[in-house]
Amino acid sequence: DTAVSQTPKYLVTQMGNDKSIKCEQNLGHDTMYWYKQDSKKFLKIMFSYNNKELIINETVPNRFSPKSPDKAHLNLHINSLELGDSAVYFCASGGGGRNTEAFFGQGTRLTVV
Amino acid sequence: GDSVTQMEGPVTLSEEAFLTINCTYTATGYPSLFWYVQYPGEGLQLLLKATKADDKGSNKGFEATYRKETTSFHLEKGSVQVSDSAVYFCALSEGKAGTALIFGKGTTLSVSS
Repeated sequence: DTAVSQTPKYLVTQMGNDKSIKCEQNLGHDTMYWYKQDSKKFLKIMFSYNNKELIINETVPNRFSPKSPDKAHLNLHINSLELGDSAVYFCASGGGGRNTEAFFGQGTRLTVV
Repeated sequence: GDSVTQMEGPVTLSEEAFLTINCTYTATGYPSLFWYVQYPGEGLQLLLKATKADDKGSNKGFEATYRKETTSFHLEKGSVQVSDSAVYFCALSEGKAGTALIFGKGTTLSVSS
């Protein structure tokens, strides 16, 4: 069983479209995250949810909206996609405690054309 | 704020060479430290971790020691293999609920036979 799964793995779409990426974890963790990895491999935290409550909301355009229907799911919805949104988006989950690492999904490669 | 600095890549080595990837951190508290590895086309996997000063994390021949006095967590391996070719990320966590891992910029390692 995959611990953190996100879909789709690849997403190619046109500018201006709205798209969603889904993420599910079966590890029983309280905390889930969305990270963005740019073309230089730099990882930047976008959002963090703890027990369905938004904890971190970094400087991300309002076009990005996370939704956590329950502790095991954290979806990312993106409105009015722009070329600069092209990146790999990673979902992760972690226990939130000091000694607990984060577990990452396989990533979603988003290409906006 | 907290930050992680790791050596710029790419690092190119021959098989069986010794590897060191430097990582230093800035933190207000006493973070946990991690090394993650990302193989091509995959998500991040935890390689090793250390949660307090002088702890040594080790896995698959890699090791790193948490040095509070030098605020460092350098990754080492005595003899690299072609299969170690990947991007390596140093990261820290304050460990408060909902806080995210803070990553360095990643170091690409390429090992040739």
